[in-house]
Amino acid sequence: SQQGEEDPQALSIQEGENATMNCSYKTSINNLQWYRQNSGRGLVHLILIRSNEREKHSGRLRVTLDTSKKSSSLLITASRAADTASYFCATAGTGGFKTIFGAGTRLFVKA
Amino acid sequence: DTEVTQTPKHLVMGMTNKKSLKCEQHMGHRAMYWYKQKAKKPPELMFVYSYEKLSINESVPSRFSPECPNSSLLNLHLHALQPEDSALYLCASSLPKTGESYEQYFGPGTRLTVT
Repeated sequence: SQQGEEDPQALSIQEGENATMNCSYKTSINNLQWYRQNSGRGLVHLILIRSNEREKHSGRLRVTLDTSKKSSSLLITASRAADTASYFCATAGTGGFKTIFGAGTRLFVKA
Repeated sequence: DTEVTQTPKHLVMGMTNKKSLKCEQHMGHRAMYWYKQKAKKPPELMFVYSYEKLSINESVPSRFSPECPNSSLLNLHLHALQPEDSALYLCASSLPKTGESYEQYFGPGTRLTVT
């Protein structure tokens, strides 16, 4: 079964609005990471939250982690057209290398 | 230099061809990864090298053969591929640390089409 399921699958908002996407996972983790991918290109690391952290901020990004529910959320505030991309959560098991990506959320920000 | 480079950007090959994908990084990372990504799907891990040794092989068919000749280079040798192998192949690198994952730096990918 796949780890790191995300919802919504797609999200369309106006520039300036906030975007929230969620990720659920199935097994124990050391940390959870969020990546962005512009169409057909490589992924860019956004933020990493460790299993003993509950919330983390980076610029317009806010990530929360609830290990009891095995879920995480990514909030992008004051979205811009340039935020249009796919967003993936990623988890790795205790070995640290076996990375599993969630299905991803495709975000469209309309100018 | 925080860049991972991949060559070629695009590759079209027949099912009987042999080709190689190349990945290079100069960040001093000692973990390197190959992923396969189909359209509108997440990347799927194929192989992981740690300190130039194969650490993870996710039951990938033998027509894909990885090679890590040194700490900066990662190759993926392709032979007798099938049309369903057409995908974006992504390379990534990270600092290795047993028991904890670090952020991965991704290359732009090679778009592979098998005819």
